[in-house]
Amino acid sequence: QKEVEQDPGPLSVPEGAIVSLNCTYSNSAFQYFMWYRQYSRKGPELLMYTYSSGNKEDGRFTAQVDKSSKYISLFIRDSQPSDSATYLCAMSVGSGNTGKLIFGQGTTLQVKP
Amino acid sequence: NAGVTQTPKFQVLKTGQSMTLQCAQDMNHEYMSWYRQDPGMGLRLIHYSVGAGITDQGEVPNGYNVSRSTTEDFPLRLLSAAPSQTSVYFCASSNSNYGYTFGSGTRLTVV
Repeated sequence: QKEVEQDPGPLSVPEGAIVSLNCTYSNSAFQYFMWYRQYSRKGPELLMYTYSSGNKEDGRFTAQVDKSSKYISLFIRDSQPSDSATYLCAMSVGSGNTGKLIFGQGTTLQVKP
Repeated sequence: NAGVTQTPKFQVLKTGQSMTLQCAQDMNHEYMSWYRQDPGMGLRLIHYSVGAGITDQGEVPNGYNVSRSTTEDFPLRLLSAAPSQTSVYFCASSNSNYGYTFGSGTRLTVV
């Protein structure tokens, strides 16, 4: 079993929809949680970064972490065709950024106009 | 600011050949990592470094070597290329708890 599990999709939604992307993990030592967005044939870019449990909001994006359930989510409100990309969750072990980031498989999202 | 620069962008190797994938960052980041990305597998950690002179293995280190003689550079060496190493390779760097900055990737094909 992988340390981080993510439904690969693909997920197709109409423009304006609310998108929910999720990851589960098995290692309770993970403390830093990230979401990356990756456009086709590009490198991943950091979208959201959270520490421990709780919510974080940035514009149309909200990241949630539930450490008790070992579950993280990314919500995209008012989704746009430009949001079409692969979304990767990532987690870091320990009390700081130790250099060892573990990724989920990525979820491919398509937002249709 | 160039960020994380990877060279080459594309490479075709024959089985058994060796090569070095270059990675350089100009942000004075302590942490650097190499990942490979394969369809349906996400990004898997090959090797990582928490500072100059310090490296460690990730999830899939076999067939790869790294060294970190300077803060800026973190080359990845393929010792004897195999078709199973056909992949897209990403280098990334970070200086704290704010996530990693990725390069644009090297697409490697081993025939």
